[in-house]
Amino acid sequence: ETGVTQTPRHLVMGMTNKKSLKCEQHLGHNAMYWYKQSAKKPLELMFVYNFKEQTENNSVPSRFSPECPNSSHLFLHLHTLQPEDSALYLCASSQDSSTDGQFFGPGTRLTVL
Amino acid sequence: TQLLEQSPQFLSIQEGENLTVYCNSSSVFSSLQWYRQEPGEGPVLLVTVVTGGEVKKLKRLTFQFGDARKDSSLHITAAQPGDTGLYLCAGARLIEGGGADGLTFGKGTHLIIQP
Repeated sequence: ETGVTQTPRHLVMGMTNKKSLKCEQHLGHNAMYWYKQSAKKPLELMFVYNFKEQTENNSVPSRFSPECPNSSHLFLHLHTLQPEDSALYLCASSQDSSTDGQFFGPGTRLTVL
Repeated sequence: TQLLEQSPQFLSIQEGENLTVYCNSSSVFSSLQWYRQEPGEGPVLLVTVVTGGEVKKLKRLTFQFGDARKDSSLHITAAQPGDTGLYLCAGARLIEGGGADGLTFGKGTHLIIQP
């Protein structure tokens, strides 16, 4: 595997379910990110991790809980989501500077019923 | 809150024509990045511009960063059907002491090149 991988690619869940999204990067990068992409809205930054430490939580509701056990893996734990949380969730990684380009995974298409 | 205004939102032109996409903000960014996204996939990095006034070329694509580092443009020469896609500009904040940071994205330009 190369680049940034995300699993699952598609997920349908009820509002009472608990699920997790997984992201893995094979680029040796030190920073990882979660973004949300909804129709008619710009890509929204959710969380930033630098060297496994969370450096930004962009006012994300607590029903989204990130976890970064090491610099290659990033999880997004989902609990009691709302239908408006349905979106494409994208993971990205970059080296360690704000001027470094980011490399995105293919995303997880999430539908909350 | 830093905002990036991208224009136009939609553009449909004939193969062989030229086009320019604009990305504007009232905020200063440490870098401006351009991405292209295809349906069902994540954005793919095209270029990063860092220095005010910088111009970078990628085959038929020319990227420019404004002198004040608040705006950028993407110019495509002799567009081809393979250029069809969603083009996104994204700005990185200035961070004291360095370090990685999340990006602020524009809404994107949906580009269609008709054969």
